Amino acid sequence: GAGVSQSPRYKVTKRGQDVALRCDPISGHVSLYWYRQALGQGPEFLTYFNYEAQQDKSGLPNDRFSAERPEGSISTLTIQRTEQRDSAMYRCASSHPPMNTEAFFGQGTRLTVV
Amino acid sequence: GNSVTQMEGPVTLSEEAFLTINCTYTATGYPSLFWYVQYPGEGLQLLLKATKADDKGSNKGFEATYRKETTSFHLEKGSVQVSDSAVYFCALSDQEGGSEKLVFGKGTKLTVNP
Repeated sequence: GAGVSQSPRYKVTKRGQDVALRCDPISGHVSLYWYRQALGQGPEFLTYFNYEAQQDKSGLPNDRFSAERPEGSISTLTIQRTEQRDSAMYRCASSHPPMNTEAFFGQGTRLTVV
Repeated sequence: GNSVTQMEGPVTLSEEAFLTINCTYTATGYPSLFWYVQYPGEGLQLLLKATKADDKGSNKGFEATYRKETTSFHLEKGSVQVSDSAVYFCALSDQEGGSEKLVFGKGTKLTVNP
């Protein structure tokens, strides 16, 4: 596609439910990143992939969070047993390595846990 | 770990005023430095970047110079326009431990009045 696409754009879920957030990167981009952005803060790194391999998951806050990119293209970030503190904007970005080239961001998924 | 500190907002200016948004960083090694911009209702977009000391990044009338001696990357524009109203994020590329991710500041909201 023309840009990084994330879906859904908005998600409201009840506490305790699982959610899956999808990211479709720019075609041909090797690297895919997930960030979380709280209101009034900058994005914080969660995890990233090169192709289908998860290179770094050190930013995932706990084991309720997981991510996959099974075919090296679309990625899914899954949050199990959601809690209110998980409410945030979740942003996906893709790039063609190295990192000092441009990372292209999607519009994000606004998650609200009620 | 690596970190970015940027000027707290919000910043309100009149059209054609001079803009400076301060950004300092702490990093091991030699990161690349970036300014990203988020216009209302949109995703993050790369505004400019610099990959080594003394490099100047520029775009759309904005400039920032990579100053290793002061660990700074201040954003400047000589004459702002209403259309520059947005949130600006300073960021560095963190490649510690072989990972590749962006570390962001908290963002500075700029409002330009006509």
